[in-house]
Amino acid sequence: DAGVIQSPRHEVTEMGQEVTLRCKPISGHNSLFWYRQTMMRGLELLIYFNNNVPIDDSGMPEDRFSAKMPNASFSTLKIQPSEPRDSAVYFCASGNTGTSGRYEQFFGPGTRLTVL
Amino acid sequence: AQKVTQAQTEISVVEKEDVTLDCVYETRDTTYYLFWYKQPPSGELVFLIRRNSFDEQNEISGRYSWNFQKSTSSFNFTITASQVVDSAVYFCALSEATGYSTLTFGKGTMLLVSP
Repeated sequence: DAGVIQSPRHEVTEMGQEVTLRCKPISGHNSLFWYRQTMMRGLELLIYFNNNVPIDDSGMPEDRFSAKMPNASFSTLKIQPSEPRDSAVYFCASGNTGTSGRYEQFFGPGTRLTVL
Repeated sequence: AQKVTQAQTEISVVEKEDVTLDCVYETRDTTYYLFWYKQPPSGELVFLIRRNSFDEQNEISGRYSWNFQKSTSSFNFTITASQVVDSAVYFCALSEATGYSTLTFGKGTMLLVSP
């Protein structure tokens, strides 16, 4: 049973370039979350989707960041243009939120982004 | 607003020592979930436990145990007879039990177990 899949695992780019991070959630999960981890700010929630619909993007730092979930098995997080301060590890997580109140949230391996 | 505080930034122990990682949380919700995740040097986040706010029973899983005390808003994690492989950053997290169950993480505690 494959877990959450993220690609690429590592990305090095130059300032000003567009960066696209990809995530394939666990099959059957109805929620998807994007987090960012930095030394200074720890783990922060950027945006989350439920049934492919963006629910809350208040954690997205700037308009340079955008996320999409065109279907239940794929999501992207795009940064355009990238800046050195965007350097971080970006995690995708998926889970189920339902009326039972019970859910699991599992994390992908992360994408380590370095913007030079 | 929800908040999770892990006051211990870093802990160093020698193998076989017991170690407790502290977690204190704040929430206005009456129903919520508490979590612990492990992040080893390889970087992935590994789910360890989820605890419902209605269940204050302590839990033990092998060398791991968790002490949930609602009265002090704490959810502490103890590793008994620590091993080098326990070296990692440990995160405590909190989520509402309704809605979309987003996680609020603490800053993490780095545990270093030396031989």
